[in-house]
Amino acid sequence: KQEVTQIPAALSVPEGENLVLNCSFTDSAIYNLQWFRQDPGKGLTSLLLIQSSQREQTSGRLNASLDKSSGRSTLYIAASQPGDSATYLCAVRPGRDDKIIFGKGTRLHILP
Amino acid sequence: KAGVTQTPRYLIKTRGQQVTLSCSPISGHRSVSWYQQTPGQGLQFLFEYFSETQRNKGNFPGRFSGRQFSNSRSEMNVSTLELGDSALYLCASSLGRFTYEQYFGPGTRLTVT
Repeated sequence: KQEVTQIPAALSVPEGENLVLNCSFTDSAIYNLQWFRQDPGKGLTSLLLIQSSQREQTSGRLNASLDKSSGRSTLYIAASQPGDSATYLCAVRPGRDDKIIFGKGTRLHILP
Repeated sequence: KAGVTQTPRYLIKTRGQQVTLSCSPISGHRSVSWYQQTPGQGLQFLFEYFSETQRNKGNFPGRFSGRQFSNSRSEMNVSTLELGDSALYLCASSLGRFTYEQYFGPGTRLTVT
């Protein structure tokens, strides 16, 4: 049974720092992995999607990597800004027609 | 292109009542998924519909049901509401093929009193 874990649950860093958020999954056989951000009380915003055959994806200051053999994905945020404060969620789709499994998220606070 | 829309955005119901939530996916998307989000349990998958057929189902009691129409719009229904059903209900749509990337709506905040 696939399980997705995100550690730490919360993180505070000063503005301007580069940071890494972690996501681990128990079964390396996945179809894709998606990173989202969620602002309080709002829906989820898709950040990056990595297909099983890919190693990384980049969008602006964000870079997500995928290492299936070790069951890990990381989300790298460069030059953090207060507007990056949000909860970041990792989601794994085990197979093409399988339901998505979410981690519990990392609550990120960027200190001005 | 318009995003995923959910109606209503906020809802207050009393125990024992029933409620219907609506989700309109992005144009061209044929898959709609529903999630319940609470502070204690996080995001929990309810069900997924693709071309009017339920493709996946989560571990929720039969009080939770859904359907999808021919225009891909989806509704979910909760009967005999309980206090524990208070949550943010999120809908997500995807093409249902190729990347299967999911796009979420703003959610419906349901409060049961």
